[in-house]
Amino acid sequence: GAVVSQHPSWVICKSGTSVKIECRSLDFQATTMFWYRQFPKQSLMLMATSNEGSKATYEQGVEKDKFLINHASLTLSTLTVTSAHPEDSSFYICSAPAWAQETQYFGPGTRLLVL
Amino acid sequence: SQKIEQNSEALNIQEGKTATLTCNYTNYSPAYLQWYRQDPGRGPVFLLLIRENEKEKRKERLKVTFDTTLKQSLFHITASQPADSATYLCALLMMDSSYKLIFGSGTRLLVRP
Repeated sequence: GAVVSQHPSWVICKSGTSVKIECRSLDFQATTMFWYRQFPKQSLMLMATSNEGSKATYEQGVEKDKFLINHASLTLSTLTVTSAHPEDSSFYICSAPAWAQETQYFGPGTRLLVL
Repeated sequence: SQKIEQNSEALNIQEGKTATLTCNYTNYSPAYLQWYRQDPGRGPVFLLLIRENEKEKRKERLKVTFDTTLKQSLFHITASQPADSATYLCALLMMDSSYKLIFGSGTRLLVRP
């Protein structure tokens, strides 16, 4: 099946720094990718939809200036958490729709810990 | 807005038994309802999809039912094994142009050997 990778798998950073997370579709092209955040024992919450060649679409309550998304190619989307704070510590997961967009392939996730 | 409810309490069953997980939703019926498996520290993995005009779907030991009148889906794992222990997520696919997935909070299944 289709594979989606994320890098890094985990990251620890100091408060106030910025962190970039990459999401790649390895064997298929994705004009759309989705970014989710998951806190412990909670569900995946959609943060934004990344669109290749255009601006990302953010969900209500998600600050677009804090969570910068760039979808520069058909296989790569990046999420940058700017000026990270401890409350941004979470599990960040990306996904890309399968053909016909009926399902999504998820990346393995990135664990972010902000000290 | 659409709400999805899954039993937040963990389901603890004996190996070999059938596990049944419930997903309830409010508002409009989705065109597609999906089930995913998530292991700790990993991303979700797609298991099954059922369409609004389908009552039941099977895949090996898995079975999903979809009742649009009750606004409920049931997810069954027959002959359960310890390796089936994981969190199972129900998700609805938004059939507008966004194709967004809305997830339930998941139910943790523990299969005892």
